[in-house]
Amino acid sequence: GQQLNQSPQSMFIQEGEDVSMNCTSSSIFNTWLWYKQDPGEGPVLLIALYKAGELTSNGRLTAQFGITRKDSFLNISASIPSDVGIYFCAGHGGSQGNLIFGKGTKLSVKP
Amino acid sequence: GAVVSQHPSWVICKSGTSVKIECRSLDFQATTMFWYRQFPKQSLMLMATSNEGSKATYEQGVEKDKFLINHASLTLSTLTVTSAHPEDSSFYICSASIAGRGTSSTGELFFGEGSRLTVL
Repeated sequence: GQQLNQSPQSMFIQEGEDVSMNCTSSSIFNTWLWYKQDPGEGPVLLIALYKAGELTSNGRLTAQFGITRKDSFLNISASIPSDVGIYFCAGHGGSQGNLIFGKGTKLSVKP
Repeated sequence: GAVVSQHPSWVICKSGTSVKIECRSLDFQATTMFWYRQFPKQSLMLMATSNEGSKATYEQGVEKDKFLINHASLTLSTLTVTSAHPEDSSFYICSASIAGRGTSSTGELFFGEGSRLTVL
């Protein structure tokens, strides 16, 4: 079945640094989504991307839908301690199939 | 908008008992709800797709008699873990797509807070 490769698996950064993570797939997706999950909580939708090449920002977060429709990246600028959590990418192929999740990127921010 | 609420947020039960978890869409109608299971440090694993007024669709390897799903209304789906055993201990998360949106078109899902089940 479809799988997403998300990297890096984990990141340890200093407060104020920028962060970049990405997801790639062997299949084409029509939608890319980025979620953040805090410990013991459900995932929260950060950014949704619907068109190839689309670049969307949400505050300090920026995500892009790759032009090939097989990849997406998420950038976080000027990280702060509350950015700590696990970030999941997810792809959807359209009317058929379910949302496919990456394995997550665990972000740790050192004050 | 698009708030999904789960209850209970955590539950501890004895082996052999059944546990029901509720998932509600608070400010929208959800024709489709999804139930996920998440083990520690792992990604979300889709268990089943719950459609209002019809039987749930289970993913391969998920026992439908073990995990009973009922989607009786456009705002409520329930997951019952029957005769729970310690290996059923996990974090269960529901999600919903807004009627007219969601996985039939854009894939956008809204998640509940999750329910942590511990079976002793």
